[in-house]
Amino acid sequence: DAKTTQPNSMESNEEEPVHLPCNHSTISGTDYIHWYRQLPSQGPEYVIHGLTSNVNNRMASLAIAEDRKSSTLILHRATLRDAAVYYCIPRDDKIIFGKGTRLHILP
Amino acid sequence: DTGVSQNPRHKITKRGQNVTFRCDPISEHNRLYWYRQTLGQGPEFLTYFQNEAQLEKSRLLSDRFSAERPKGSFSTLEIQRTEQGDSAMYLCASSLHSNSPLHFGNGTRLTVT
Repeated sequence: DAKTTQPNSMESNEEEPVHLPCNHSTISGTDYIHWYRQLPSQGPEYVIHGLTSNVNNRMASLAIAEDRKSSTLILHRATLRDAAVYYCIPRDDKIIFGKGTRLHILP
Repeated sequence: DTGVSQNPRHKITKRGQNVTFRCDPISEHNRLYWYRQTLGQGPEFLTYFQNEAQLEKSRLLSDRFSAERPKGSFSTLEIQRTEQGDSAMYLCASSLHSNSPLHFGNGTRLTVT
């Protein structure tokens, strides 16, 4: 199982962009990179995923390094509702969660 | 599409009793996953199914735990002879196929007294 490294916590001001980094240096060539987030008292929620190219959706953008050993989740304009734990996961047959990054949003 | 449904939402049981949880995945999702989560930790993988076949079971899962998905639709997770250490949130997720995103339910919170 590929291992990931994420900061334990990050802070950002409301309405500013947030860049959440993740290192996954042991990722295999066919594993997609998935990002999930978990709000308090809820199950995890899918955010975005990609393989090699940068990806955008209505929630976020995903920037993937050319060597695929790291990626960055970008929230373009953070709101208080984005405060959550964010997990970066190389997707193989099962999804193994690490500890994630707890994102705090300051009003 | 009503999402992944888990029942019950909460379960309080006495040590030594058996409990069973149910998960109804999104229809046509052939993958189903079970996770356990304790306070301050990320979800811990327990087991997963491809249709009715159980493909992998975590080594952390003792013999007191069993999961089934008899018709490839809903799944049940049973814990026999519960212990206080089993107290946790039990999460179920489903995905359309092996590479697609997981959709999670809101979990069943188990408290063993």
